[in-house]
Amino acid sequence: NAGVTQTPKFQVLKTGQSMTLQCAQDMNHEYMSWYRQDPGMGLRLIHYSVGAGITDQGEVPNGYNVSRSTTEDFPLRLLSAAPSQTSVYFCASRQGGGYTFGSGTRLTVV
Amino acid sequence: EDQVTQSPEALRLQEGESSSLNCSYTVSGLRGLFWYRQDPGKGPEFLFTLYSAGEEKEKERLKATLTKKESFLHITAPKPEDSATYLCAVQASPRYGGATNKLIFGTGTLLAVQP
Repeated sequence: NAGVTQTPKFQVLKTGQSMTLQCAQDMNHEYMSWYRQDPGMGLRLIHYSVGAGITDQGEVPNGYNVSRSTTEDFPLRLLSAAPSQTSVYFCASRQGGGYTFGSGTRLTVV
Repeated sequence: EDQVTQSPEALRLQEGESSSLNCSYTVSGLRGLFWYRQDPGKGPEFLFTLYSAGEEKEKERLKATLTKKESFLHITAPKPEDSATYLCAVQASPRYGGATNKLIFGTGTLLAVQP
């Protein structure tokens, strides 16, 4: 099993550009979420989904959109990138027990 | 406000020198406390989940314990390969409904074990 797969691993965007961070899991987990990790701060929840067709906002949702059309995929969209969105983004899934995290996407907005 | 605080921020140990990492929390209702290990450039790797005060779990040189206000991650006779950032997170009961799967993370303890 691949677990949680995130693409791309690295990305540089110009201010104002849009992009989609991909997240896919092959464990049939209902719950999926997106976090961002910044130096000196704990992982912060951006958006989450409790199942296909259901999404909700986390702690820091502004500037990000999500959708969940299938159980496997949970993409994160940056609508108009800003330097404040420079961060490392992690996708995680859960079905009881502990959360499984992807390896992250390091995003730089210049 | 739900909050998780980890200490120390950084810890340097000699190989074989046992120590403990602390995670104190303030939440409205604890549904679970999680410990993760994170290596540079990688995602957090699940270690333990603790659900109630008095619970303990072990894995190799690591032992996690839980009280009503804090959790400890005890590292016995650490090796250089134990060097990593250790993250603590809590899952709290929702105040006003909504999903209960949200995690609140601490900022982590960076552990360096020197040979």
